[in-house]
Amino acid sequence: NAGVMQNPRHLVRRRGQEARLRCSPMKGHSHVYWYRQLPEEGLKFMVYLQKENIIDESGMPKERFSAEFPKEGPSILRIQQVVRGDSAAYFCASSPRERGTGELFFGEGSRLTVL
Amino acid sequence: AQSVTQLGSHVSVSEGALVLLRCNYSSSVPPYLFWYVQYPNQGLQLLLKYTSAATLVKGINGFEAEFKKSETSFHLTKPSAHMSDAAEYFCAVTNNNAGNMLTFGGGTRLMVKP
Repeated sequence: NAGVMQNPRHLVRRRGQEARLRCSPMKGHSHVYWYRQLPEEGLKFMVYLQKENIIDESGMPKERFSAEFPKEGPSILRIQQVVRGDSAAYFCASSPRERGTGELFFGEGSRLTVL
Repeated sequence: AQSVTQLGSHVSVSEGALVLLRCNYSSSVPPYLFWYVQYPNQGLQLLLKYTSAATLVKGINGFEAEFKKSETSFHLTKPSAHMSDAAEYFCAVTNNNAGNMLTFGGGTRLMVKP
């Protein structure tokens, strides 16, 4: 009964490279949320996806960041041409439905370090 | 719009002492409120949630929180701190309009002294 799985757990990139973070939601969950946690800060919402659809991306930076949740396979958060300010922990969460009591199930996060 | 403010980014208590972590929220519609705990290098685990039923909510590990509408607060308490309670605690809010899109506070790091 696996929970939300994220990989890689740790990723090191040099400035200008691309980072791809993957998230497999809990079994039976079709709603995925990405959050970013900057050092010494709380979690900030980035994007909400359902299978093959982006529902809300109001928290995504306008450039270099993209997300997808294909019909088959994990959700992917992609950061192109990374900069040092992208260094953060990226958390994925899932839920079984769009509207419930708001409980999200979180993965252990992917920690990106940009050199 | 909704927001959460956690007063005190760091709280230190002695083992066995009362734990009180403060959370105030802002929401234009009735809120759902949550406390999550994050241990080092791990994800967030749900401690407890308020979803418009009883105003005093009991969670895991002996924690509880009371929803006070008049004070727009949802403070987290535990009567007696244990060393294993040392972690980061996040308060979060959503509502029926926002669905599962939680808005988090900045977090409070709890330190427990022996």
